[in-house]
Amino acid sequence: DTGVSQDPRHKITKRGQNVTFRCDPISEHNRLYWYRQTLGQGPEFLTYFQNEAQLEKSRLLSDRFSAERPKGSFSTLEIQRTEQGDSAMYLCASSPALGTNEQYFGPGTRLTVT
Amino acid sequence: DQQVKQNSPSLSVQEGRISILNCDYTNSMFDYFLWYKKYPAEGPTFLISISSIKDKNEDGRFTVFLNKSAKHLSLHIVPSQPGDSAVYFCAASRYSGGGADGLTFGKGTHLIIQP
Repeated sequence: DTGVSQDPRHKITKRGQNVTFRCDPISEHNRLYWYRQTLGQGPEFLTYFQNEAQLEKSRLLSDRFSAERPKGSFSTLEIQRTEQGDSAMYLCASSPALGTNEQYFGPGTRLTVT
Repeated sequence: DQQVKQNSPSLSVQEGRISILNCDYTNSMFDYFLWYKKYPAEGPTFLISISSIKDKNEDGRFTVFLNKSAKHLSLHIVPSQPGDSAVYFCAASRYSGGGADGLTFGKGTHLIIQP
């Protein structure tokens, strides 16, 4: 399967703990996006990478959220000191640089903060 | 401030009939519009897109219509099939592929195809 993959698919953590999610984009895609989706809402854009450069991060929800894409391939999203309000589905998407309008989404990581 | 609005949370359509899903947007800078389909426990799957230079785009059973002056787009599915039952999201962006803005999504419409 050559689609976008995300790991883990589910994460349950206690309030105050740090969590890290991984996204592996489609191999030839140099654009990578993170989104958050809460119940009854559409995905909400968080951050954007072009290759290893993080070109947009002002939409990250707070300074507890950070993302990296160190070699321009996989990416990680970290949430420090988790809060119950962080419970959501975290989606990763990728796209090639040119020639297409669409983004290809992974299956998401469902985070539950207890 | 919702820039992309899907005002119908759910829609029920009989199998074989036409399904029409609607979407309105407020940001006149949006130039690219997309429809995604989502099943439970899966990520959104791209269906069809349209750029602002067109007013219609077709792909098989799916057609998207864009009315820029009304800031309105719609997705038509003909004929509707049981496998079309899913949540449909409308999304928009200023740039092709989203770029540094990402995609802005509506809240979704749950389409239910009745046998």
